[in-house]
Amino acid sequence: AQKITQTQPGMFVQEKEAVTLDCTYDTSDPSYGLFWYKQPSSGEMIFLIYQGSYDQQNATEGRYSLNFQKARKSANLVISASQLGDSAMYFCAMREGLEGYQKVTFGTGTKLQVIP
Amino acid sequence: GAVVSQHPSWVICKSGTSVKIECRSLDFQATTMFWYRQFPKQSLMLMATSNEGSKATYEQGVEKDKFLINHASLTLSTLTVTSAHPEDSSFYICSALGLAEDNEQFFGPGTRLTVL
Repeated sequence: AQKITQTQPGMFVQEKEAVTLDCTYDTSDPSYGLFWYKQPSSGEMIFLIYQGSYDQQNATEGRYSLNFQKARKSANLVISASQLGDSAMYFCAMREGLEGYQKVTFGTGTKLQVIP
Repeated sequence: GAVVSQHPSWVICKSGTSVKIECRSLDFQATTMFWYRQFPKQSLMLMATSNEGSKATYEQGVEKDKFLINHASLTLSTLTVTSAHPEDSSFYICSALGLAEDNEQFFGPGTRLTVL
């Protein structure tokens, strides 16, 4: 079974609009972390936001927020006020395992294109 | 934020030769580093987890004799692709695990390997 599922291969959004990128996960670990990364065409992975499994509140970082629904095992990324520079691949990832042996699994990614 | 470097950023080699890729954490000590490979328009696939002073843990399907990983110090991990073939051509990315509470991964800029 897929550990991380991103069901949207591609998304379009109008500039200045908000967009939600979906991510669901599967784990039996009680403690885990969820990440979102942005990968522009240059290839580098840019960390956007983190949500811990025990965090009570949804994580927010500037225009990025994570809609964490633990019971549904979903961790959707919301980008508000989209900008042209937001066009990139977006990957959801999950860290699980104990300290000293941790593993991070990535989803297949969503290609976001912001339209002027 | 923490900086991770990779060297070289790109390399072209002949089939049958070996290529070494270095991953360095520049301003922090990383007990754990990860090696990923990414084919065009695909997600990052974890190859192995590298822990300082111990043998790397390889993911299923990754040949440990072909992809040699050495994590000799807290700031350096190396990946050697031995007897490279054209099918090994890929984008190789390393990441280092930070010490912050959220255990953020800091990614290197990647190394593009082309085997002729």
